[in-house]
Amino acid sequence: AQSVAQPEDQVNVAEGNPLTVKCTYSVSGNPYLFWYVQYPNRGLQFLLKYITGDNLVKGSYGFEAEFNKSQTSFHLKKPSALVSDSALYFCAVSGSTGGATNKLIFGTGTLLAVQP
Amino acid sequence: KAGVTQTPRYLIKTRGQQVTLSCSPISGHRSVSWYQQTPGQGLQFLFEYFSETQRNKGNFPGRFSGRQFSNSRSEMNVSTLELGDSALYLCASSTGLAGFETQYFGPGTRLLVL
Repeated sequence: AQSVAQPEDQVNVAEGNPLTVKCTYSVSGNPYLFWYVQYPNRGLQFLLKYITGDNLVKGSYGFEAEFNKSQTSFHLKKPSALVSDSALYFCAVSGSTGGATNKLIFGTGTLLAVQP
Repeated sequence: KAGVTQTPRYLIKTRGQQVTLSCSPISGHRSVSWYQQTPGQGLQFLFEYFSETQRNKGNFPGRFSGRQFSNSRSEMNVSTLELGDSALYLCASSTGLAGFETQYFGPGTRLLVL
């Protein structure tokens, strides 16, 4: 069965420093991996996804993620954090094992706190 | 292009009542998925509709049901509400043509059951 894990409930980083939010996955077949961000009282906003190809995926708002097949990881990164990046971040994997389904399986979320 | 819209945004019900939530997808999207978000269980998949047919279903009791109309709008119904149904209900839409499609989420409906 498809699953993702986010080992950190919270990540604290100072503004201007690089940030990393960790995600590991377990899938059968090709992994389709996603990152979403959620601000308070809002829905989820899509940041980026990995389908195939280049292991470094660039997304919205300066975020990028590195796909590592040997470590089964898909960590979210940003070179320089902003206070406005403070939010809840979710890693997700497609529940598809080949068919066309739009079921997403989410991790537990990581709260990113950027201190000024 | 307008995003995914959900109505109502907030809802208060009492135990035993039923509730219907509505979701309008992005124009041209044929897939609508529903998710429940709670502090304890996180984000859980409820079901997906594609071209008016339920294509996938999560692990929720039969009190949770849905449907999709010919214009791709979707409704979710919860009957005999329980306190534990208090949650943020999110819907998401996509073209629905492949498992790696990006899903775009609405702002959610926050349901409080008293």
